[in-house]
Amino acid sequence: AQKITQTQPGMFVQEKEAVTLDCTYDTSDPSYGLFWYKQPSSGEMIFLIYQGSYDQQNATEGRYSLNFQKARKSANLVISASQLGDSAMYFCAMRELYNQGGKLIFGQGTELSVKP
Amino acid sequence: EAGVAQSPRYKIIEKRQSVAFWCNPISGHATLYWYQQILGQGPKLLIQFQNNGVVDDSQLPKDRFSAERLKGVDSTLKIQPAKLEDSAVYLCASSLEVREETQYFGPGTRLLVL
Repeated sequence: AQKITQTQPGMFVQEKEAVTLDCTYDTSDPSYGLFWYKQPSSGEMIFLIYQGSYDQQNATEGRYSLNFQKARKSANLVISASQLGDSAMYFCAMRELYNQGGKLIFGQGTELSVKP
Repeated sequence: EAGVAQSPRYKIIEKRQSVAFWCNPISGHATLYWYQQILGQGPKLLIQFQNNGVVDDSQLPKDRFSAERLKGVDSTLKIQPAKLEDSAVYLCASSLEVREETQYFGPGTRLLVL
């Protein structure tokens, strides 16, 4: 069964607008962490934001925020005021603290294109 | 603070040849990871080290892949012999400890097997 599902292979957004990238996950581990990474064409995975399963508030980092809905098992990334430099692949990942030895499991990714 | 370093950045080899990749993690990071990312997919963990010990190598094809981290700092990943399906980006990442810490990635090595 897929642990991390990203249903949007590609997304377009107009510069300066907000965009939401979807991510749903599946786990029975009570303690887990959710991550979003950005991968530009250069190939490096850039850490964006982290949400712990016990965190009461949604994580925010500058223009990035994570819409964490635990009951729905979703962890959508919201990028506000999109910039041309935001064009990249975006990966959602999960780490289960007790299962899987703490390794990161990635989704298939969403390719975001920001239009001027 | 210097990031995760990897070399080479690109490598083209013929099938059945051998290849090695090198990774130097962020200073002080005890945990080091090697991931394989096939085109169009998310990264998949190959092996995870805590200092110089292996934590998880369950997805490493041990008949052809090997990795070591002898002094608990830098690491090498080797493929011998390479197959066409090994064409991928090989990403190295590091974190302070194995759990509850963010992993930081290097630029990756793009391998093409012909």
